[in-house]
Amino acid sequence: SQQGEEDPQALSIQEGENATMNCSYKTSINNLQWYRQNSGRGLVHLILIRSNEREKHSGRLRVTLDTSKKSSSLLITASRAADTASYFCATDEGSSYKLIFGSGTRLLVRP
Amino acid sequence: ETGVTQSPTHLIKTRGQQVTLRCSSQSGHNTVSWYQQALGQGPQFIFQYYREEENGRGNFPPRFSGLQFPNYSSELNVNALELDDSALYLCASSSKSGRNQETQYFGPGTRLLVL
Repeated sequence: SQQGEEDPQALSIQEGENATMNCSYKTSINNLQWYRQNSGRGLVHLILIRSNEREKHSGRLRVTLDTSKKSSSLLITASRAADTASYFCATDEGSSYKLIFGSGTRLLVRP
Repeated sequence: ETGVTQSPTHLIKTRGQQVTLRCSSQSGHNTVSWYQQALGQGPQFIFQYYREEENGRGNFPPRFSGLQFPNYSSELNVNALELDDSALYLCASSSKSGRNQETQYFGPGTRLLVL
C-alpha cells in the first residue's frame, strides 16, 4: 500500500514557468522527502523536511510541510527542460527503516 | 551519482525461475534497502538490511529474500518468479549514524521482465 498521493498526476509547463506539485499522506511522520526520477531509472534525493519544520529551500526548490493537514508541496521555480522527470514524495510513517512513496507527479517542461 | 551500483541493469526470466540481483552500497553506508517499482507506480519497500541482519520487511512473500555481506553489499533473491514480479528493482543505501540518517541514496535499478 502507498502512504502518499501526489497531485497532479501529470503536469506540463513551459520552460521558465514555476511548477507546483502536492503530496498528501496518512499517518504521523518524522520527516518527508522529495525524490526525482528520470526515465524510470534510479531516484535522486532532492530535499528532506522534518516534521517540526514548515518550509525549506534548496536552490530553485521550495518545500512546505503542513502536518495538521498531512500535506506537503514542492515548488520548482524557473523550470528548465532538464527538470522533466517524475517527482515522488516519501515519508517514514514514524518508522526508522522504510520509506513509503506516493505514486508520483510526471512533470514535462516544454522548451 | 550516488555511488550505489546495481547489477545487472536488465534481466529477462521465465515464470518459475529464480533470480539474484546485486547492489553495492555507497562508501561509509551500513544499511541497504530494496524496493520494487511497478510501471507507473511509486517504489514499494521490500526489506532493509543493517549490519547483515534483516531490519524490517514490507508486504512481500517469503520467496523474496536477501543477504547483506560484511562489506555491506547486498543481494535480493526472488524464487518461483511470477509475471507480476516484472518491475524495476531499486537498491538504496544509508547510514544509521551521523547526519542525514534518514536519506536513502538509490542505485540506477535493475529492470526485470518475467515472461
